[in-house]
Amino acid sequence: AQSVTQPDIHITVSEGASLELRCNYSYGATPYLFWYVQSPGQGLQLLLKYFSGDTLVQGIKGFEAEFKRSQSSFNLRKPSVHWSDAAEYFCAVGRDDKIIFGKGTRLHILP
Amino acid sequence: EAQVTQNPRYLITVTGKKLTVTCSQNMNHEYMSWYRQDPGLGLRQIYYSMNVEVTDKGDVPEGYKVSRKEKRNFPLILESPSPNQTSLYFCASSPQFDVMNTEAFFGQGTRLTVV
Repeated sequence: AQSVTQPDIHITVSEGASLELRCNYSYGATPYLFWYVQSPGQGLQLLLKYFSGDTLVQGIKGFEAEFKRSQSSFNLRKPSVHWSDAAEYFCAVGRDDKIIFGKGTRLHILP
Repeated sequence: EAQVTQNPRYLITVTGKKLTVTCSQNMNHEYMSWYRQDPGLGLRQIYYSMNVEVTDKGDVPEGYKVSRKEKRNFPLILESPSPNQTSLYFCASSPQFDVMNTEAFFGQGTRLTVV
C-alpha cells in the first residue's frame, strides 16, 4: 500500500501568491514526516521535518508545514512564493528503516 | 564541505555492458541508499546499507547490485544494463542507524541512458 500521496502533479501560482502543497500519508503509528525540494539539475534538499510535538513546523526558505493527524495530512505552505521556489517538492515518510517518497509536485511560478 | 559525491553525472551505455556508479560521502554516515527517479513515479529505493558489509534490498532491486566495503563508499553496479534502467539515480546518506528520523543528504544525481 502506498504510504505517501501527493495528489497534485503540477501546481502553478503567481509570484507573491500563497502556496499550499498537499500530502497525505497512510501509516498506523505516528509517522516521521519530511518535505524535500529538488531544484532543476540538483539533488534533494530537506525543507523541514516533523517527529513529534508542535504540529506546525518551520523550515528553511520561509516554508512551514502542519501535521493533522485526523486528516493524515502534512501540507506544505508558504505565504508568498518567489520565482526561485520553482522546483519539484517531495513529501516523505519514515517507515521500516526507510524513507518512502511521494511522487512529487512540480511547482511553476508565473511572473 | 560535507557532501555526497556521485560519478559520473551523465552516462550513456549499451545494453549488457556492465557499469558502476560510484557514491562517496565524507560525513561518516552509517546509512547509505540508492534511489531511482522516474517521471510520475517519484523516488524509489533500490538498495540500502545500514553499515559496512550490511546491505538490503529496497523496493526495486532487480537488475542492480551494491557493496559496502568501506563506510564512505556505496557503489551501484549494473551487471547487464537494460533500457528499462534508463533513469536518474540518486545516492543518499544519513547520519544515524534510525534513518527514519534524520535528514538524508543527497548527491547531485547520475543520469543514465541505456540504448
